[in-house]
Amino acid sequence: DAKTTQPPSMDCAEGRAANLPCNHSTISGNEYVYWYRQIHSQGPQYIIHGLKNNETNEMASLIITEDRKSSTLILPHATLRDTAVYYCIVRVSNAGGTSYGKLTFGQGTILTVHP
Amino acid sequence: DTGVSQNPRHKITKRGQNVTFRCDPISEHNRLYWYRQTLGQGPEFLTYFQNEAQLEKSRLLSDRFSAERPKGSFSTLEIQRTEQGDSAMYLCASSSLRTSGSSYNEQFFGPGTRLTVL
Repeated sequence: DAKTTQPPSMDCAEGRAANLPCNHSTISGNEYVYWYRQIHSQGPQYIIHGLKNNETNEMASLIITEDRKSSTLILPHATLRDTAVYYCIVRVSNAGGTSYGKLTFGQGTILTVHP
Repeated sequence: DTGVSQNPRHKITKRGQNVTFRCDPISEHNRLYWYRQTLGQGPEFLTYFQNEAQLEKSRLLSDRFSAERPKGSFSTLEIQRTEQGDSAMYLCASSSLRTSGSSYNEQFFGPGTRLTVL
């Protein structure tokens, strides 16, 4: 799986958008971009994933650049409960679209949302 | 609660003792994963099962570590002759086998078992 690079920490004011960047310049054509987060003392939680199109769900939006070498996770209206470590992961998927096996976590970005 | 559960949540043991952790995955999830997380680091993969078959093991899983999933439901992770370096959070996750539709294989994580080896 391709390696990702994330800033170690970021701050955001409550109610504002949090934009978390991720570089994955060696991503392959069959690798998807996943985002998980881990709130203190809890297990990681899936947020969103994508291949090449922008994606949105009830938690966040994922913007992937056209060359797929980087992406941004957007939390549109950050709350204090969004304070967590955010992990960007790229992961192989087979031709049928199913991903197998392990997640390879880096150190992630510690997002702190301030009142 | 129908999420992934892990027991115990905390375990303190003396060096050299054996410990066993249990993970109950989400019902009907046929994939089960074990990860280890030390302070300030992201989780590291240890092993994973599809049903009762152990399909992949990390090099982190030394001979002192053994994992089982005998009936394809719950799983146990045993550490023999614990060492202080084994102190960590042990996380379990489960996922379903998707063969069509969305391309992702979302893993649902339990709260973890925190092991402290004195």
